[in-house]
Amino acid sequence: ETGVTQTPRHLVMGMTNKKSLKCEQHLGHNAMYWYKQSAKKPLELMFVYSLEERVENNSVPSRFSPECPNSSHLFLHLHTLQPEDSALYLCASSQFQGSGEKLFFGSGTQLSVL
Amino acid sequence: GENVEQHPSTLSVQEGDSAVIKCTYSDSASNYFPWYKQELGKGPQLIIDIRSNVGEKKDQRIAVTLNKTAKHFSLHITETQPEDSAVYFCAASDYGNNRLAFGKGNQVVVIP
Repeated sequence: ETGVTQTPRHLVMGMTNKKSLKCEQHLGHNAMYWYKQSAKKPLELMFVYSLEERVENNSVPSRFSPECPNSSHLFLHLHTLQPEDSALYLCASSQFQGSGEKLFFGSGTQLSVL
Repeated sequence: GENVEQHPSTLSVQEGDSAVIKCTYSDSASNYFPWYKQELGKGPQLIIDIRSNVGEKKDQRIAVTLNKTAKHFSLHITETQPEDSAVYFCAASDYGNNRLAFGKGNQVVVIP
């Protein structure tokens, strides 16, 4: 596998469920990101991890909980989500320690909250 | 914070013609400007980027120009092909601080 891989590709969950999104990068990068992509809106940065430390948390509700166990893996744990959380969640990695430069994105997880 | 606007929101061009997408930004401290291409069902892919110390950068059929005074930068695609059909996102940031602000995206449709 090469690049940035996200699983699952699609997820439907109820508001009381708990689920996790997984991201894995095979590029040897040292920073990983979670972005939210909603229709007709700019990409929204949620979290940044650089060298496995969280360096950015953009006022994201606590129902989203990130985890970065090592430089290759990133998780987004979801619980008690709201319908407005339905969106495409994109993981990205970069070589430049969280600078936001030259991001490599995965294909995303399309999340629907019912 | 930085605010990035893209125009037009949708652009249709005949195959072989050129396409130009313009972005404006608000923060004069921004010094890094990437362009991403997103095809259906895929994540955005970096296609070209430019720093503020350079006015223009080319890579085959793609070029980006930057006007720091007017605070706008543009993506130029020449000799468009059907595979250029996608959503294109511009972004701007103050290098090194993670504050990469994206525009809302432009849908480019290349008509065969």
